[in-house]
Amino acid sequence: AIQLTQSPSSLSASVGDRVTITCRASQGISSALAWYQQKPGKPPKLLISDASSLESGVPSRFSGSGSGTDFTLTISSLQPEDFATFYCQQFNNYPYTFGQGTKLEIK
Amino acid sequence: QVQLVQSGAEVKKPGASVKVSCKASGYTFTSYYIHWVRQAPGQGLEWMGIINPSDGSTNYAQKFQGRVTMTRDTSTSTVYMELSSLRSEDTAVYYCARRRYRSGVIDYWGQGTLVSVSS
Repeated sequence: AIQLTQSPSSLSASVGDRVTITCRASQGISSALAWYQQKPGKPPKLLISDASSLESGVPSRFSGSGSGTDFTLTISSLQPEDFATFYCQQFNNYPYTFGQGTKLEIK
Repeated sequence: QVQLVQSGAEVKKPGASVKVSCKASGYTFTSYYIHWVRQAPGQGLEWMGIINPSDGSTNYAQKFQGRVTMTRDTSTSTVYMELSSLRSEDTAVYYCARRRYRSGVIDYWGQGTLVSVSS
């Protein structure tokens, strides 16, 4: 199975900061990567598909990049509603694995 | 609008089985695969498997092979996930989620079903 390693596992930041989360795959997955945001008690929400395609309705401060084994999710200017846990997911091969998550907290 | 409505919370004893349902509406049921993903308390997301509602074909994560069965009922637009030989480590919220057409991403999620396993 393809392993996804996210870094950092947790992050403290302030409103207005620029934040980058990385996701590294144990083998190449082309652009078959998605990013999700999850808030406590809720199911995840799709932010980015195909490594860099912003979902409809998702603020443009979110962006994704990368291909192959290295991917990034960037939030250009943190807003109060962005504090949550973020997960990457690969869908290049079964099993469709998730990263372990990155918890973004308010500094 | 697309909706995935799951069955209610369950409490089970170790060794028992649980069957969670997920009723789909707002789209053509047989056109979209359904994932099952679980999340233990305070932990990350774990992909369990996927079912094609059109023909019932499945693909399970190796970790759950032999313990999980995913089925569907096209007459009621419902998919089911049954997990057997439950142990305390299976305590989690179980989500059904729709796979986007011709993609692997998950575009809609159910509300989640808490399964608690305790003696």
